[in-house]
Amino acid sequence: NAGVTQTPKFQVLKTGQSMTLQCAQDMNHNSMYWYRQDPGMGLRLIYYSASEGTTDKGEVPNGYNVSRLNKREFSLRLESAAPSQTSVYFCASSTGVGYTFGSGTRLTVV
Amino acid sequence: AQSVTQPDIHITVSEGASLELRCNYSYGATPYLFWYVQSPGQGLQLLLKYFSGDTLVQGIKGFEAEFKRSQSSFNLRKPSVHWSDAAEYFCAVGNKAGNNRKLIWGLGTSLAVNP
Repeated sequence: NAGVTQTPKFQVLKTGQSMTLQCAQDMNHNSMYWYRQDPGMGLRLIYYSASEGTTDKGEVPNGYNVSRLNKREFSLRLESAAPSQTSVYFCASSTGVGYTFGSGTRLTVV
Repeated sequence: AQSVTQPDIHITVSEGASLELRCNYSYGATPYLFWYVQSPGQGLQLLLKYFSGDTLVQGIKGFEAEFKRSQSSFNLRKPSVHWSDAAEYFCAVGNKAGNNRKLIWGLGTSLAVNP
């Protein structure tokens, strides 16, 4: 099925560990996004990529890095996880007429 | 400053009752407007969008929304709520011009449906 695929769906990390969240879309969208969702805080943009080869910071980029590997894939890396990064992470893609979201990654940092 | 306000954090309605979820925005440019729904444990799904033209837009699952420029509002409505409509609803606004596709999000309204 066409859409946005995120892996993994669940992850538990220890403080200081690193990991990469993967996101791939098969809709030929130019723009891709990483959001985090926390209770009472809505969706906050971490990083986005307006097109292949470009990335830009969003509202809450500290502690994260991204790579737009090609048009399909946009990964999010936590170099040294902290408990404050416990959240649900969503990847989305867009042509500018609305976003398509992945089903999310629930990350817990202990 | 650009912002989206959803005044109601939580709403409870009875099944079969009508529903209106409020959304107000502050945005300098001509906006794109969106409503998304998030079921528990799921990603967000686009319900409907407004770009231009008819200010009353129809979406999926029987939802509609009306854009009122004078009130800077884009309220979501449904004539008769079903138990499966229980979810989180998010309003968002984007830039109609330029290449920046970032959306500004409201904090969401949680809808509970009583049987």
